[in-house]
Amino acid sequence: DAGVIQSPRHEVTEMGQEVTLRCKPISGHNSLFWYRQTMMRGLELLIYFNNNVPIDDSGMPEDRFSAKMPNASFSTLKIQPSEPRDSAVYFCASSFSSGRFFDTGELFFGEGSRLTVL
Amino acid sequence: AQSVTQLDSHVSVSEGTPVLLRCNYSSSYSPSLFWYVQHPNKGLQLLLKYTSAATLVKGINGFEAEFKKSETSFHLTKPSAHMSDAAEYFCVVSAPFGNEKLTFGTGTRLTIIP
Repeated sequence: DAGVIQSPRHEVTEMGQEVTLRCKPISGHNSLFWYRQTMMRGLELLIYFNNNVPIDDSGMPEDRFSAKMPNASFSTLKIQPSEPRDSAVYFCASSFSSGRFFDTGELFFGEGSRLTVL
Repeated sequence: AQSVTQLDSHVSVSEGTPVLLRCNYSSSYSPSLFWYVQHPNKGLQLLLKYTSAATLVKGINGFEAEFKKSETSFHLTKPSAHMSDAAEYFCVVSAPFGNEKLTFGTGTRLTIIP
């Protein structure tokens, strides 16, 4: 079975450039999460969607970051303009949420997009 | 509020010896607790989970963890380490309001010595 698919796996860009990261969640999952992982800050939740609707974007660092989910099978995370401090591994994860208490807690992660901003 | 503290940032064990990765938690609710594993250049994968059923939880690849409420701990163990166990391990706590409320620990890097 196909897991969560992210692209690109590696991106090297220069400061000021626009970066778009893409994610295809597992078919049938209705929740999608964008995380950022750095050595200094560990794993941070940036934003999550439920049924294609952004529910909580309080983790988005600043206005330079934006995320969309136009349909159940695709999401993007955009950084414009990019800065060196945005260098990190960005993970997309998906899950099925029943909307009730005690969801399983099992997120399915993609392999990540490693972003380097020079 | 909820949090997890992974007591060791790095653990090294010899192949064939026991593994112990320590995790303490804090939660205002009856928590759900998880261990995730991340192999180099890979995404995170669920290893095991505790959701208020049996306090001793068995996961994949021979790992298990015991929920101890009195000690607010959820340590991960394995009787005999294998080279393929070398990875980063994350302890995770969740409030009972859905997957978006996961709080990840800072991770423990496990090194296996041949």
